[in-house]
Amino acid sequence: GQQVMQIPQYQHVQEGEDFTTYCNSSTTLSNIQWYKQRPGGHPVFLIQLVKSGEVKKQKRLTFQFGEAKKNSSLHITATQTTDVGTYFCAGPSSGTYKYIFGTGTRLKVLA
Amino acid sequence: DVKVTQSSRYLVKRTGEKVFLECVQDMDHENMFWYRQDPGLGLRLIYFSYDVKMKEKGDIPEGYSVSREKKERFSLILESASTNQTSMYLCASSLWGGVSYEQYFGPGTRLTVT
Repeated sequence: GQQVMQIPQYQHVQEGEDFTTYCNSSTTLSNIQWYKQRPGGHPVFLIQLVKSGEVKKQKRLTFQFGEAKKNSSLHITATQTTDVGTYFCAGPSSGTYKYIFGTGTRLKVLA
Repeated sequence: DVKVTQSSRYLVKRTGEKVFLECVQDMDHENMFWYRQDPGLGLRLIYFSYDVKMKEKGDIPEGYSVSREKKERFSLILESASTNQTSMYLCASSLWGGVSYEQYFGPGTRLTVT
């Protein structure tokens, strides 16, 4: 069946360093969503990418959708302690309302 | 602001008990979802509903059932709880339409089955 994988599973960075998480789908996606879950919290929607090759920025966060629409990345420039949490990508299962979530990347920022 | 509430933050049940987890959303969303979250496995879809009384199985429906009698409320039922159902359960809702909409999540229920 359709799978969405994320790497790395964990990442520890020093505050001020950059961070990137990668999302890969086994099938072509019509769109991809990114969510952030703070420790002890629930996932919160960050952004949706729809177009092939699309790049969107939110302050220090840069989101990219691959040309083949099978992969995506989230890059954080100059991490801060507020960036701590788990980042999930999610892609729609074709023909349904279901979203397949990636396994998540847990980011820890050391001050 | 969309609000999704879940009946309990923490729940402890015994093996074999029938367990009800309730979820309510206040934004008139058509779609509602139940996920379970386990370390290293991400969010896995148990069931979803796109309309009142309509439901579809997700990826891991075994041992669970759902009920949606009203648009704002989506219940997850564990007919006979087992220890392998110890997990964090997250409810979510979204609009329905031709394009995909973001999902709004509730705070989660951490269920422990002993």
